[in-house]
Amino acid sequence: NAGVTQTPKFQVLKTGQSMTLQCAQDMNHEYMSWYRQDPGMGLRLIHYSVGAGITDQGEVPNGYNVSRSTTEDFPLRLLSAAPSQTSVYFCASSYEQGTEQFFGPGTRLTVL
Amino acid sequence: GENVEQHPSTLSVQEGDSAVIKCTYSDSASNYFPWYKQELGKRPQLIIDIRSNVGEKKDQRIAVTLNKTAKHFSLHITETQPEDSAVYFCAASSYGNNRLAFGKGNQVVVIP
Repeated sequence: NAGVTQTPKFQVLKTGQSMTLQCAQDMNHEYMSWYRQDPGMGLRLIHYSVGAGITDQGEVPNGYNVSRSTTEDFPLRLLSAAPSQTSVYFCASSYEQGTEQFFGPGTRLTVL
Repeated sequence: GENVEQHPSTLSVQEGDSAVIKCTYSDSASNYFPWYKQELGKRPQLIIDIRSNVGEKKDQRIAVTLNKTAKHFSLHITETQPEDSAVYFCAASSYGNNRLAFGKGNQVVVIP
């Protein structure tokens, strides 16, 4: 099993550009989530999904969209990138709430 | 929502000594408390977790204790080794609430 995979590993955007961060898991997990990690801020939840077709907002959802059309994939879309979105983004999945979350390798995003 | 705080932010210990990191949480309904370890440049990985029906859990040199009355839980690492140097995150969530709230992390430095 590949576990949780994320692409790309690194990305540089200009202010106002849009892009999609990809996340996929092959563990048949129902629960998937996106976090951003900034120095000294820990991991902050952006959006999460409890199954295909179901998504909800986390702690810092503004400027991001998600969709969950399949169990395996959970892409994160930046609509109009801003320098404040410079961060490391982690996708995670788990079998259900209250079980181990498996993290992807992360995407380091820089917005100029 | 749930608020998780970690103390101290940085902890330096001599190799072979014990390290203790304490977290407090705000939501009395929280029932799942995992600890994640993140090495520099890598993804967070679960090292131990505890549920609210258990007061203590051990796994070799690592243990977690939970005090529901005081709403705090602690990570104990005994006989520390250089490979224990990392950032440790605590987190909390409650049944029916699919959000996992993370603390801001503790940098543990093990001095050889």
